[in-house]
Amino acid sequence: SQQGEEDPQALSIQEGENATMNCSYKTSINNLQWYRQNSGRGLVHLILIRSNEREKHSGRLRVTLDTSKKSSSLLITASRAADTASYFCATDTAGNTPLVFGKGTRLSVIA
Amino acid sequence: EADIYQTPRYLVIGTGKKITLECSQTMGHDKMYWYQQDPGMELHLIHYSYGVNSTEKGDLSSESTVSRIRTEHFPLTLESARPSHTSQYLCASSEPHQGGYTFGSGTRLTVV
Repeated sequence: SQQGEEDPQALSIQEGENATMNCSYKTSINNLQWYRQNSGRGLVHLILIRSNEREKHSGRLRVTLDTSKKSSSLLITASRAADTASYFCATDTAGNTPLVFGKGTRLSVIA
Repeated sequence: EADIYQTPRYLVIGTGKKITLECSQTMGHDKMYWYQQDPGMELHLIHYSYGVNSTEKGDLSSESTVSRIRTEHFPLTLESARPSHTSQYLCASSEPHQGGYTFGSGTRLTVV
C-alpha cells in the first residue's frame, strides 16, 4: 500500500540552483524520512523529521513537515552534479510497522 | 560505508530455478527488511523480521520465503523463479527505535 507520493516525478535543474521535492502522505506518522538512491544502488538515509518537528537542516538539505496538510518538502540548496539521483520519502506510521516508501523523484543536475 | 552486504550483485537465471539472495549485516540490528524495486522505482515490502526466528510477510510476499536463524543473516528464497520476478531486490536493517534504514547495494535479478 502506498503511503507517500512524491512530486514532481522528475526534475531537471542547472548546477547552483535549488531543488525542491514534495511528499504527501495519507495517515498519521511518527516520523518522515528522506532517502537518496544513486542509479542501480541501494538507498542512503538523508534525514529524519519527527511528527512534532516542523523544520530540520542538514548541510545543504532543508526538510519541512506540515502534519496538518500531511506533506513534507526536501530542499537541496546550491545543487551540484553529484546530487543527481532519485529521492524518496518514507513514512513511519504508528504500530511498529516497516517504512512505506513513495515512488521517488528523479533529480538531474546539469553542470 | 554501509555495513550490510548483498550477494550476488547481479544474477541471470532460467525460469523455474530456485534461488537464494543473501543479505548480511554487521551492525547487530534486530530489524531487517526485503524490498522489491520495480523499474518505475516504487519499493514494495516483501518480508521483514524483528529478530531471530521472527519473520513477517509484506505486501508482495507471495512465491518467496525468508529465514532468520542468526541476527546478522536474512536470506530471501524464490522457490521457482519467473520472468515477473525480474527486478532489483534491496535488503535493509535498522535499530529498534526506528531510526533510518541502512540499505545494501541490492541484487539485480533477471529471469529469462
